[in-house]
Amino acid sequence: EVQLVESGGGLVQPGGSLRLSCAASGFTFSDYWMSWVRQAPGKGLEWVANIKNDGSDKYHVDSVRGRFTISRDNAKNSLYLQLDYLRADDTAVYYCARLGGLSSGACDLWGQGTMVTVSS
Amino acid sequence: DIQMTQSPSTLSASVGDRVTITCRASQSVNSWLAWYQQKPGKPPKLLIYKASGLESGVPSRFSGSESGTEFTLTISCLQPEDFATYYCQQYSSYSLYTFGQGTKVEMK
Repeated sequence: EVQLVESGGGLVQPGGSLRLSCAASGFTFSDYWMSWVRQAPGKGLEWVANIKNDGSDKYHVDSVRGRFTISRDNAKNSLYLQLDYLRADDTAVYYCARLGGLSSGACDLWGQGTMVTVSS
Repeated sequence: DIQMTQSPSTLSASVGDRVTITCRASQSVNSWLAWYQQKPGKPPKLLIYKASGLESGVPSRFSGSESGTEFTLTISCLQPEDFATYYCQQYSSYSLYTFGQGTKVEMK
């Protein structure tokens, strides 16, 4: 089955760190760019970061640049998001998404999401 | 940065209605515009890519169009399962993606 499964979310104090993981299966992970998208409670979608299929190019939204880092391990079919210096406004569901072939960059496959809560 | 302005924020409609949602880009995105549907507690689902391409498995009552920097999602005959929130997204460069604010389609 073609799927993405996120893990690693939880409750963390302001200033703390978390590492989110996304396990891919059912497709050739190394062929695709990947993305993280987040959604704060009751709010809209916010793009967080993209990474090229071979990991050589990475891009982050301004609000997380220098605090979050996207990475991947193609041998493990896994995508990661390292979250450092967390703030209350980083509280959100974090989704990993595949940037699709025919759609040439739209998010054509999504995981179910993992919740990150930043609170003291 | 490219800003995406989506309207309306809420839309009240009935089953069978024709529904139109608009998204305007602050600059050209060269048709790299997608539409997603999201239901509560679920991840988004891709409906339309490259402004008018229908994603596999998506019903044909969904369609997308463009005129310059203005993009439209149309649901030709609203079905009960279509009540949801819809987002546009520009993806003209891998270095910066942007979503619209979302449009909630609710029952009139």
